Amino acid sequence: QVRLEQSGAEVKKPGASVKVSCKTSGYTFRRFYVHWMRQAPGQGLEWMGVINPADGGTTYTQKIQGRVTMTSETSTSTVYMELNSLRSDDTAVYYCATYGSGTYALFDYWGQGTVVTVSS
Amino acid sequence: EIVLTQSPATLSLSPGARATLLCRASQSVSTYLAWYQQKRGQAPRLLINDASSRATGIPGRFSGSGSGTDFTLTISSLEAEDFAVYYCQQRSNWPYTFGQGTKLEIK
Repeated sequence: QVRLEQSGAEVKKPGASVKVSCKTSGYTFRRFYVHWMRQAPGQGLEWMGVINPADGGTTYTQKIQGRVTMTSETSTSTVYMELNSLRSDDTAVYYCATYGSGTYALFDYWGQGTVVTVSS
Repeated sequence: EIVLTQSPATLSLSPGARATLLCRASQSVSTYLAWYQQKRGQAPRLLINDASSRATGIPGRFSGSGSGTDFTLTISSLEAEDFAVYYCQQRSNWPYTFGQGTKLEIK
């Protein structure tokens, strides 16, 4: 079965960096884009960006462009999201998800979420 | 960036009632719209994609409609497990924005 397993909770100080991993299994890794979303405490969902595991191509939302890097590692079917220059408002649950389109529109799987807390 | 506006922000209904949730896009997204349900402490779960296609395992009481800028999620007869927060997401253009959510609560 399809699974996305994320790394554990992180506590970081302002100005630091965090790198969250998302290990996928149960499907052809290179076939579907992997998206990253976050959800601040008590708030809604925010789409952060996407990576194409087939070629490493990325698109990021303008809000965090310049602070975020998404990478993929084909050998382990793992995607990473690194966020730099952390601020208190980066405190959130971070999710990876893979979802398809067209014929694969109902292919939709999410990780369990990773809590990132930014606090001095 | 396409802005999605959901209404109402909160909907208070009784079990057995019919729920109608709305999502309006700031520009046309054709039918590239998904609906998610999220319960406290859980990842979102896909209900509907491409505006009206029900995801695997989703009960028939959930249905989606609309195209262009106006979309509706209907729950025909609410059950206890349906009380949650619902989000729409457009997948027409990057960034794949979400609406701010509708909280469906028990009256």
